[in-house]
Amino acid sequence: DVKVTQSSRYLVKRTGEKVFLECVQDMDHENMFWYRQDPGLGLRLIYFSYDVKMKEKGDIPEGYSVSREKKERFSLILESASTNQTSMYLCASTFLRSLEDEAFFGQGTRLTVV
Amino acid sequence: TQLLEQSPQFLSIQEGENLTVYCNSSSVFSSLQWYRQEPGEGPVLLVTVVTGGEVKKLKRLTFQFGDARKDSSLHITAAQPGDTGLYLCAGEDGSSNTGKLIFGQGTTLQVKP
Repeated sequence: DVKVTQSSRYLVKRTGEKVFLECVQDMDHENMFWYRQDPGLGLRLIYFSYDVKMKEKGDIPEGYSVSREKKERFSLILESASTNQTSMYLCASTFLRSLEDEAFFGQGTRLTVV
Repeated sequence: TQLLEQSPQFLSIQEGENLTVYCNSSSVFSSLQWYRQEPGEGPVLLVTVVTGGEVKKLKRLTFQFGDARKDSSLHITAAQPGDTGLYLCAGEDGSSNTGKLIFGQGTTLQVKP
């Protein structure tokens, strides 16, 4: 079974804290993604990575950074958490070598910034 | 960046009714995917459509890819409470050559018994 594991299901952090969200996949996928999910806005892409140490900005990268030092691990960093970053964060991975490749998702991290 | 627009955003129907959800873009996609997400879980792939005009069936769900590969639809026949969830369409952004996967806003479906 393909597994994408996010380090925490729920997190509560204070404004101004540096926050790390970790994601690990066990299928040797090249591509990994971080999305943010808010009601009525669907999944918005924050950053994605198509190889180790390679990254590309998504649609809403402001206030976030990422790190991919190893193929299986993709980290999302909130440099200085703010209340408007309270959201559900979803990590995904895929080969995307063929048109029919499936994206596999973690269960999500519900982050609350107070 | 290519965009995917879904409609409607919210649908509440009675068990046994039929419904259609739409996913539209002004851009051509090489393929489109449909995912379903239940509360507290990540999205799970239902189907991928690849060929313009293609129709795929998954039990009571019928998926269609537009001839011009700019749109897709999901039709559910005789909806059941177990169909309740968030339905998302997704496609690879062709303006990036690195496999960037984008999603529509989603359609929240509520099927009442």
